[in-house]
Amino acid sequence: SQQGEEDPQALSIQEGENATMNCSYKTSINNLQWYRQNSGRGLVHLILIRSNEREKHSGRLRVTLDTSKKSSSLLITASRAADTASYFCATDQTSGSRLTFGEGTQLTVNP
Amino acid sequence: DAGVIQSPRHEVTEMGQEVTLRCKPISGHDYLFWYRQTMMRGLELLIYFNNNVPIDDSGMPEDRFSAKMPNASFSTLKIQPSEPRDSAVYFCASSGTGVTDTQYFGPGTRLTVL
Repeated sequence: SQQGEEDPQALSIQEGENATMNCSYKTSINNLQWYRQNSGRGLVHLILIRSNEREKHSGRLRVTLDTSKKSSSLLITASRAADTASYFCATDQTSGSRLTFGEGTQLTVNP
Repeated sequence: DAGVIQSPRHEVTEMGQEVTLRCKPISGHDYLFWYRQTMMRGLELLIYFNNNVPIDDSGMPEDRFSAKMPNASFSTLKIQPSEPRDSAVYFCASSGTGVTDTQYFGPGTRLTVL
């Protein structure tokens, strides 16, 4: 099974609301990344958080990491219709040598 | 920089035909990755190169798939012969800092094998 699993699989909200997506993983990691994929496009890197960090911000994005629970969350504040996309977490396992991507959360922001 | 460039963007072919996908990584990036994305299996790493050398090809599904990187600015992924189950979106990505650091993805090639 995937190292990273996103939850929920799909999320639909209204413009202006906050969107929270979660990622759980199974083994120890060095870092965790979040990517966005718009329909028909490639993945775009959003943010990287290292295992010794607990929270990171970038614009309207806030990422948290709880290594004791092996989970991360991505919060998008004041969402816009343009945030509609799939969001993937990717983990760098301490025992591995590659990024492992989760299955993604499909976010729909309704105008 | 133009980012990672892939061609063609769409490919429709018949079963048994040879398919060649092309990628130009971001200039100066030492790592190049080929991924396949399907609804059933998500995003799978097929192979990656470091300084033009294949490092890990454990994700290549079978001998029908091959990848080359003859120089730092060009890579190909070839499927011969193609089968309907190869239908997917194939992404190329590059990284300048490491295999597990930030990756920059191309727009992908949507392959349909009839």
